[in-house]
Amino acid sequence: GAGVSQSPSNKVTEKGKDVELRCDPISGHTALYWYRQSLGQGLEFLIYFQGNSAPDKSGLPSDRFSAERTGGSVSTLTIQRTQQEDSAVYLCASSLWAGDNEQFFGPGTRLTVL
Amino acid sequence: GENVEQHPSTLSVQEGDSAVIKCTYSDSASNYFPWYKQELGKRPQLIIDIRSNVGEKKDQRIAVTLNKTAKHFSLHITETQPEDSAVYFCAAIPDTGNQFYFGTGTSLTVIP
Repeated sequence: GAGVSQSPSNKVTEKGKDVELRCDPISGHTALYWYRQSLGQGLEFLIYFQGNSAPDKSGLPSDRFSAERTGGSVSTLTIQRTQQEDSAVYLCASSLWAGDNEQFFGPGTRLTVL
Repeated sequence: GENVEQHPSTLSVQEGDSAVIKCTYSDSASNYFPWYKQELGKRPQLIIDIRSNVGEKKDQRIAVTLNKTAKHFSLHITETQPEDSAVYFCAAIPDTGNQFYFGTGTSLTVIP
C-alpha cells in the first residue's frame, strides 16, 4: 500500500511569510507525528496526534507553529511569520497507534526561508 | 520527561568489522526501544526494536541488547558492509507516554 506522503517536497519562502506543510499518513494509522530535522542534526519532536487530538504540543518551538488534523487522516503544520531559523526538513510519521509501535516516516518537506 | 543520550556521534569502521552504538535513558518506566536508520537524503526507517521484557533481539547481522538495571541499550552490527553507512537513531518510549524520545544520532561510515 501507499506510504506516508508529504507535500510540498520543497518550499522556498521569504522571511515573514506563512507556510503550510501537509502530511498524508498511511490509511488506518491513528497516530501522526511531526518532527523537524535541521542539517546534519537529530529528530526534534514537534507534536503528535492520536486521532484528531493533540495530547502533546510540548515540542512546538513557538506560538508561530501550529498543527491540525482532520478526519483522523491528513495533517497540516502551519508556520506563521517564518524566520530563517525555521529552515529545516520537516518530517511526518504515522503509526497504527500512539506509543510503542513502528513509526513510518514520510519523505519530508525541505523548507528554506530566505 | 525522558532523556536519551547516544554515543558515539560518529563512528568509522573497516568493512567486515563490527560496530556498536550505545544509548542511555533516564526514565526507568520506558518500555520500548526502537532503532532507526537514515541513509543520506532518505527518510528514517525502523531496523530493529526491543521491548523491556527481553534482554536481546537479533535479526541477521544486527542485534540490540537491553540492560534495564543500568538503563542502557546498544545496537550491534556485525560483518559491516558499505551499505550500512548511515545515521542511526535510538529512541525510548516511556510507559506513561506516547512520544518517541530520540537520541542525537550516530553517523556510521563503513570503509571498503
